[in-house]
Amino acid sequence: GAGVSQSPSNKVTEKGKDVELRCDPISGHTALYWYRQRLGQGLEFLIYFQGNSAPDKSGLPSDRFSAERTGESVSTLTIQRTQQEDSAVYLCASSLLSDLETQYFGPGTRLLVL
Amino acid sequence: QKEVEQDPGPLSVPEGAIVSLNCTYSNSAFQYFMWYRQYSRKGPELLMYTYSSGNKEDGRFTAQVDKSSKYISLFIRDSQPSDSATYLCAWSKSGGSYIPTFGRGTSLIVHP
Repeated sequence: GAGVSQSPSNKVTEKGKDVELRCDPISGHTALYWYRQRLGQGLEFLIYFQGNSAPDKSGLPSDRFSAERTGESVSTLTIQRTQQEDSAVYLCASSLLSDLETQYFGPGTRLLVL
Repeated sequence: QKEVEQDPGPLSVPEGAIVSLNCTYSNSAFQYFMWYRQYSRKGPELLMYTYSSGNKEDGRFTAQVDKSSKYISLFIRDSQPSDSATYLCAWSKSGGSYIPTFGRGTSLIVHP
């Protein structure tokens, strides 16, 4: 079946602009995670959704970052007033509630803030 | 001290070599251990996971966990050029949302 998809695959924006990144999880996966991967660094956890609610937002780095999920499916990560340090690959993963240990990752969105 | 330490490499080996990749961690609460493989410009893919100390084998891959030393390893036997990727170790506390803490990854190059 289809895996996790993310769009756009690449995004170049100017400092100060807002961006929206989209994640389509595997159908039936109730759990959804967002991560950030800076060049040469490990993945940093941003936010976890269980269904449409977000019980853990502890990784969001500032109030410029927000995320929502609707219909227990698509999720969007929004970064307002982007800064150059926001440049990174943003990865989304999904999993079944019965098997949270196994996360399936999308290909990521490469964000470059000029 | 970072929670997870992993040498970024790159590690370059000839085809057929045995590869050893290693990570150390500091948080005793970690109970669930994972290895992910990430090809260039792709998302990570879960290779192996384990809860317990000791060895777990899957084909050419063996994961080894030493909880007393807070050390985990991934061994790749008969390495192939297709194994060239970045390998990320990760830990989480069991239960809850299983949010992993990742190492920065080790870049592996297997040359023919």
